[in-house]
Amino acid sequence: DSGVTQTPKHLITATGQRVTLRCSPRSGDLSVYWYQQSLDQGLQFLIQYYNGEERAKGNILERFSAQQFPDLHSELNLSSLELGDSALYFCASSVGGASSPLHFGNGTRLTVT
Amino acid sequence: SQQGEEDPQALSIQEGENATMNCSYKTSINNLQWYRQNSGRGLVHLILIRSNEREKHSGRLRVTLDTSKKSSSLLITASRAADTASYFCATGDANAGGTSYGKLTFGQGTILTVHP
Repeated sequence: DSGVTQTPKHLITATGQRVTLRCSPRSGDLSVYWYQQSLDQGLQFLIQYYNGEERAKGNILERFSAQQFPDLHSELNLSSLELGDSALYFCASSVGGASSPLHFGNGTRLTVT
Repeated sequence: SQQGEEDPQALSIQEGENATMNCSYKTSINNLQWYRQNSGRGLVHLILIRSNEREKHSGRLRVTLDTSKKSSSLLITASRAADTASYFCATGDANAGGTSYGKLTFGQGTILTVHP
């Protein structure tokens, strides 16, 4: 058990809809990262937060947004969903240092129909 | 964009054999990490090697790093059926600043199958 909790585990929704994915980081970790994993794109870094502030942005679409709350949990909001957004979305956390291992949750599998 | 490229894409061996996976990357790094992923599950951190280190061991795992060639290898000795999984290398960008440290760029992974 990595200590990172992601909910829900599975999500099935229709195109055009909006969903929110939730992540609780490992106790003591200040950094939260969101990754998208799909067969064709592999693991893509989306965004990183450190202690409530955005720190790094990757290949995150404008339709997607995220935030980290004062209790350090994070939410990833996906809107105007398209079929191509179907993927596994992972949250990971770390203490935030330059050489810190990431601890991954088990992901949310999003299916857009 | 993918930083690391793993080679081979897939590897099939018998229990007891050694498995070697290679990773190449493009930019300057401060560390390189290897992760394992069982089908549909979250990634699990295996080992981290810093840019000033050349070799590291952890149990049956041995990692080497050659920064001049921008490459790393992961050796799993005496493989077991339970080692069957996908293995990813991930790099930390040496040019990342402040608390964007920690962000990792992952390769496409090697699928390892160990037959009993």
